[in-house]
Order: sequence, then C-alpha cells, then structure tokens
Amino acid sequence: DSGVTQTPKHLITATGQRVTLRCSPRSGDLSVYWYQQSLDQGLQFLIQYYNGEERAKGNILERFSAQQFPDLHSELNLSSLELGDSALYFCASSSSGGGRYNEQFFGPGTRLTVL
Amino acid sequence: GQSLEQPSEVTAVEGAIVQINCTYQTSGFYGLSWYQQHDGGAPTFLSYNALDGLEETGRFSSFLSRSDSYGYLLLQELQMKDSASYFCAVSHYGQNFVFGPGTRLSVLP
Repeated sequence: DSGVTQTPKHLITATGQRVTLRCSPRSGDLSVYWYQQSLDQGLQFLIQYYNGEERAKGNILERFSAQQFPDLHSELNLSSLELGDSALYFCASSSSGGGRYNEQFFGPGTRLTVL
Repeated sequence: GQSLEQPSEVTAVEGAIVQINCTYQTSGFYGLSWYQQHDGGAPTFLSYNALDGLEETGRFSSFLSRSDSYGYLLLQELQMKDSASYFCAVSHYGQNFVFGPGTRLSVLP
C-alpha cells in the first residue's frame, strides 16, 4: 500500500459525458501527478500540482483539467469523453515538486471505460 | 523531442541475470529512474540515477551514462515474482516527466 488513494476504482460511462477522478496523496506529500495508461501502453504524464499550484503540464488534452485543493487532494476532470479516453488513470504523489527528482508513489488507479 | 526506447520483451530463467536497456533522445534532465509494474497493479519505484554510474539496491542495480544517452536496469538472481513490466523515466528541468514504453520481463522456471 503506497498510501495514495484513488476513487473510484472503476468508472463506466458513455461518450460525451463528464467524469471526475479523485486522488488523495500520501500524508505530507505536496505534489500530485496524474498519468494516463492505455491498454498495453506506457504511462503518459498529464499534469503535476504542487501545494495547490500547477507545476508542470504534459500531453493533457484541453478536454481534461485538474486542480489541487487546500487539503492537497486532487481531482482530474475529463469532459466530452471519447472512446479513446478509456484507460487506467493513475495518481502519484511525492514530497517535493521543485528542482530535483523525487520518488513518486502511485495510487491503485481508476479504470475508466467509455462506451 | 523527448523520447525513450526500451526493448518490448525480455525473457530469462529463474536465478539468471537480465539487463533491460533504455536509450533516450532528450537533454536537460535531472536523472533516470526505473519503475516496476505487475499486471493490474500500480507502478512502484525501483531505482534512480542522478549521476553517471551504477546504483545498487539489493538484487537490482541501475546504470546511467549521459554521454552515451543510455541507461540500464540489472536484475540479479531472478525470481518468478520479478515477472512484470519495467519502465525507465526521466524528469526534465521543465518538470515534465516522460516514461519509456516499458519492457515486459518474463521469468521462466
């Protein structure tokens, strides 16, 4: 158990819909990262937040957005869903967010299925 | 651009030593890290190289050569539980994180 929690575990929805994925980082960690992993694919970095502020952005679609709240939990919002958005979405956390690399602790993931 | 390359699959027998390579075309990064992911599970951190050279952590070692744009993960005394996918990753100065496509390791009895 990494200490990172994600809800829900599974999510099934239809094209065109909007969903919200939730992540709670490890106690004390200030950084939250979001990744997308499609079937048999690698991990695609989406976005990083550090202590409530956006720190880095990867290949995140405009239909996707995220935020980190004062209690440090984070939400990833996916809208106008398409079939290709079906994937495993991981959240990770680390103790730092600036400068040097820090080990990232991954949550169990949310499996999103778009029908 | 930023890209990493890894072999898609590697097979070895229990007790053997296996090396998983990672080559990259990128610059300006803090270091190279390695993650393990079992089927249906979450990635877990294995090792990190900030500087050139070898880092050893138990049965796992990782190596980085910035001049050769190359790194590898070395797994010794392979066990069945080592069957998993292994990803190399770099964290860039712009804080953008890039993962390789992953190498699926199969350990045979």
